[in-house]
Amino acid sequence: QKEVEQDPGPLSVPEGAIVSLNCTYSNSAFQYFMWYRQYSRKGPELLMYTYSSGNKEDGRFTAQVDKSSKYISLFIRDSQPSDSATYLCAMSGAGGTSYGKLTFGQGTILTVHP
Amino acid sequence: NAGVTQTPKFRILKIGQSMTLQCAQDMNHNYMYWYRQDPGMGLKLIYYSVGAGITDKGEVPNGYNVSRSTTEDFPLRLELAAPSQTSVYFCASISNVVGTEAFFGQGTRLTVV
Repeated sequence: QKEVEQDPGPLSVPEGAIVSLNCTYSNSAFQYFMWYRQYSRKGPELLMYTYSSGNKEDGRFTAQVDKSSKYISLFIRDSQPSDSATYLCAMSGAGGTSYGKLTFGQGTILTVHP
Repeated sequence: NAGVTQTPKFRILKIGQSMTLQCAQDMNHNYMYWYRQDPGMGLKLIYYSVGAGITDKGEVPNGYNVSRSTTEDFPLRLELAAPSQTSVYFCASISNVVGTEAFFGQGTRLTVV
């Protein structure tokens, strides 16, 4: 079983739709949860960063973490064609030798068409 | 600030050849990482470093070597290239302030033929 599982998609939605991206994980030591966005032939860029359980909102983006279910989600409201990219969930432990070492999901390819 | 700079951007190697992928950061970050990204597979950690002179293996270190003689530079060495090393390689760095983001380079696209 992979430590982090992410639905690879691809996902195709019309402009203005609400997008839901999800990851499950098996390692209880994960404390930091991130969503990265990666445009074609570019490096990943941090989109959202959450510590432990809870919700975090930033504009059209909302990240949710449910540690009891080992499940994280990213919601995109009013999706735009510029949101078309690969979305990667990533996780890491709290500190010590785990610090900064990210475990990634497989990535979900999202296309928002006008 | 340039952030994390990787060179070269593209490279084609023949089986058995060697090369060094360069990575430099100008943010004075102690922590640096090398990941590889295969299609549909996310990123996997190859090697990492917590400071100059300190390196350690990640999830997929076989076939690679690293060194960290300065805070700024973290080169990745492939000694005997194999087709299985065809991938996109990303270097990343992060500060030691908890809660800050990891910054990634633009990647090196390597093909071994």
